Amino acid sequence: ETGVTQTPRHLVMGMTNKKSLKCEQHLGHNAMYWYKQSAKKPLELMFVYSLEERVENNSVPSRFSPECPNSSHLFLHLHTLQPEDSALYLCASSQDPVSGNSYNEQFFGPGTRLTVL
Amino acid sequence: AQSVTQLDSHVSVSEGTPVLLRCNYSSSYSPSLFWYVQHPNKGLQLLLKYTSAATLVKGINGFEAEFKKSETSFHLTKPSAHMSDAAEYFCVVSENYGQNFVFGPGTRLSVLP
Repeated sequence: ETGVTQTPRHLVMGMTNKKSLKCEQHLGHNAMYWYKQSAKKPLELMFVYSLEERVENNSVPSRFSPECPNSSHLFLHLHTLQPEDSALYLCASSQDPVSGNSYNEQFFGPGTRLTVL
Repeated sequence: AQSVTQLDSHVSVSEGTPVLLRCNYSSSYSPSLFWYVQHPNKGLQLLLKYTSAATLVKGINGFEAEFKKSETSFHLTKPSAHMSDAAEYFCVVSENYGQNFVFGPGTRLSVLP
């Protein structure tokens, strides 16, 4: 596997379900991100982890819960979602320049298409 | 705070003709600027980036962009469009070493045969 992978690619869930999205990066990066992409809206940054610590949480509802167990893996735990949460969820990674590099572009996974019924 | 405006939500060109996708940004500091492309049902792929080196940046697939500070613009161009260029294009500005990415709303490029 290379780059950034996301599983599952498609997910349909009811409002009372609990599910998790998984992201894995194979680039040796130390920062990871969750984005939400809805139709007709710009990409919304949800969470940022740098060196496995959460550094940003952009007023995301608590029904979304991120977890970053190590620098290669990122999860988004979902529970009691609403139909308006249906969207493409994108994961990205980058090399944190605090570590010395200025190589700061983000590399994206293919996304998980989530449908909440 | 930084922001990005993409002036056209949809651009349509004929195959073999030039492409121009416009982007203007607002930033309090010297920004990094990026163009990403997203094909249907795919993730975002980096086309090119500007990080205060040369103002004319060349990217993949024949695309290039020019940073113009006086105009706060970073327009994306390609001399000759190909059918495979049909996709959504996003202009991105970053101030905080890449962690705080702000995306533009996107421009959908259609390429007609």
